[in-house]
Amino acid sequence: NAGVTQTPKFRVLKTGQSMTLLCAQDMNHEYMYWYRQDPGMGLRLIHYSVGEGTTAKGEVPDGYNVSRLKKQNFLLGLESAAPSQTSVYFCASSAWTSYEQYFGPGTRLTVT
Amino acid sequence: AQSVSQHNHHVILSEAASLELGCNYSYGGTVNLFWYVQYPGQHLQLLLKYFSGDPLVKGIKGFEAEFIKSKFSFNLRKPSVQWSDTAEYFCAVMSSSNTGKLIFGQGTTLQVKP
Repeated sequence: NAGVTQTPKFRVLKTGQSMTLLCAQDMNHEYMYWYRQDPGMGLRLIHYSVGEGTTAKGEVPDGYNVSRLKKQNFLLGLESAAPSQTSVYFCASSAWTSYEQYFGPGTRLTVT
Repeated sequence: AQSVSQHNHHVILSEAASLELGCNYSYGGTVNLFWYVQYPGQHLQLLLKYFSGDPLVKGIKGFEAEFIKSKFSFNLRKPSVQWSDTAEYFCAVMSSSNTGKLIFGQGTTLQVKP
């Protein structure tokens, strides 16, 4: 099992550009999440999904959109990147029975 | 709104010293509590969790945590740290009424000197 994978691992964007981060999990988990990690601020939840076709806002959803068209995939989109979105992005998934979250390796995004 | 506070941002210990990292949360209802660890260059992994029952929970690598409901606390402990425990530690809370939404603390960086 690969667990949770994220692509890409690194990306540099210019202000105003758009991109999509892909998260995939092979554990048949119902729940999936997107977080951003910034120094001294821990992990902050951007959006999450409790099942295929459903999404919900987390703590810091502004400037991001998500989609969960397939159970195993959770996409995070930035329509118009801003320097404030420079961060490390982590995807996670969990089963509804345990709520233990399994994390991906992260994507380091820099917006110049 | 729920929040999680970790009091120690950066802790430096020598090997064999005892460790206690503080974690307090603000939420009046029933909660599920977690400690995650992030070793340098790696992604987060679960150290231990508390859902119900015995408030003293044991996790991997000799870590334990105690849930004190009256103090809204879930402090992490280890009697004797090793150099390999150098990492960032995150406390996290999930309310039982909003399962799936995990709120993290700011994190504590632990540096263990050999």
